[in-house]
Amino acid sequence: EAQVTQNPRYLITVTGKKLTVTCSQNMNHEYMSWYRQDPGLGLRQIYYSMNVEVTDKGDVPEGYKVSRKEKRNFPLILESPSPNQTSLYFCASSTDGGPYGYTFGSGTRLTVV
Amino acid sequence: GESVGLHLPTLSVQEGDNSIINCAYSNSASDYFIWYKQESGKGPQFIIDIRSNMDKRQGQRVTVLLNKTVKHLSLQIAATQPGDSAVYFCAENRVGAGSARQLTFGSGTQLTVLP
Repeated sequence: EAQVTQNPRYLITVTGKKLTVTCSQNMNHEYMSWYRQDPGLGLRQIYYSMNVEVTDKGDVPEGYKVSRKEKRNFPLILESPSPNQTSLYFCASSTDGGPYGYTFGSGTRLTVV
Repeated sequence: GESVGLHLPTLSVQEGDNSIINCAYSNSASDYFIWYKQESGKGPQFIIDIRSNMDKRQGQRVTVLLNKTVKHLSLQIAATQPGDSAVYFCAENRVGAGSARQLTFGSGTQLTVLP
């Protein structure tokens, strides 16, 4: 089954403790992206990647890092999480970033206390 | 700044009635507009899209209308069913500053179908 898999689904952590949210896709997509979803703000793009070793900032990149060492994986790294990063995070992938075949993961709900 | 947004945050309709969800956009450079449905606990799912050179596109029970003059997008759902209850997002897809395509979302409308 074609899918984007995120882990973990839920995470509660403390301020300043580094964490990584993993994302993996099995569709051989070149384009991958991370979004955060907050009430009333919709989904905002954090980072995206056009291909292996090619990443770029989205609209809200501050406080986040990403890496793309393999085509299928695109982890989101929070080096020093803060409470304002409490949010629902979605990973997505598509062939080329175009509108078709844009597939989202099931989400990771992160709480930073 | 440029943005994609929605007129109303919530919409309640009776089962069997038609639903209309609206969206305003301001970026004339967008060449695709897409509607997504997000059910509780799930990621957004593609419903229907429309290219900027079209005015109307129909799918199964859904129709998207694009009015470029007033930069307005709408999603019409015919004979709304309980399974249609969800948050609906409009999104625009365009080539961004870095030559990569970007997908920008509106803030979403919660559709509730009443029995």
